[in-house]
Amino acid sequence: DADVTQTPRNRITKTGKRIMLECSQTKGHDRMYWYRQDPGLGLRLIYYSFDVKDINKGEISDGYSVSRQAQAKFSLSLESAIPNQTALYFCATSEPRMNNEQFFGPGTRLTVL
Amino acid sequence: LAKTTQPISMDSYEGQEVNITCSHNNIATNDYITWYQQFPSQGPRFIIQGYKTKVTNEVASLFIPADRKSSTLSLPRVSLSDTAVYYCLVATNTGRRALTFGSGTRLQVQP
Repeated sequence: DADVTQTPRNRITKTGKRIMLECSQTKGHDRMYWYRQDPGLGLRLIYYSFDVKDINKGEISDGYSVSRQAQAKFSLSLESAIPNQTALYFCATSEPRMNNEQFFGPGTRLTVL
Repeated sequence: LAKTTQPISMDSYEGQEVNITCSHNNIATNDYITWYQQFPSQGPRFIIQGYKTKVTNEVASLFIPADRKSSTLSLPRVSLSDTAVYYCLVATNTGRRALTFGSGTRLQVQP
């Protein structure tokens, strides 16, 4: 969905490096999410934010941090990347009254060597 | 959040109708049933949502029996491009809890 963009789309990095993945949206949604997907598996929630001042941990937040710089921007950071964080990362947005209809970005493929 | 159970995989042929059933025995009164479609290396895409009976849109139909303990996503006359993973989720639309995606059902459509 072009309304939700993620940068970079692909990234290869080395163990121990700090990495930031960025998500921007033009849908005007308050709620934003970061998910991780490993090959052949479903999505797992890392962090989510229901508004600029609200940040919540998901099921796999260890090793990650987030920043909600504005309604439209939600960044995910890996403070010290490790190989098992190699995965496909998706950002998503939703409206408060339609929480179940999330709009996903194109994903960032991250490889940690 | 209500736990959902759906088949791991299904196979079909072009032109056939495909029905994917999801069980959600502990669905709550305020929960809706939502289905997503995910193509390889793309983010999931919302396809349909319902509360009870039947919902139909240009992509699929969703059948929900009176007890709401299960639901069936129906894809009419599938094509190769319908090959994807389909996720069933159950949650309230206005809650402050985030969605939980399971492993989904991997649908493979053959020529």
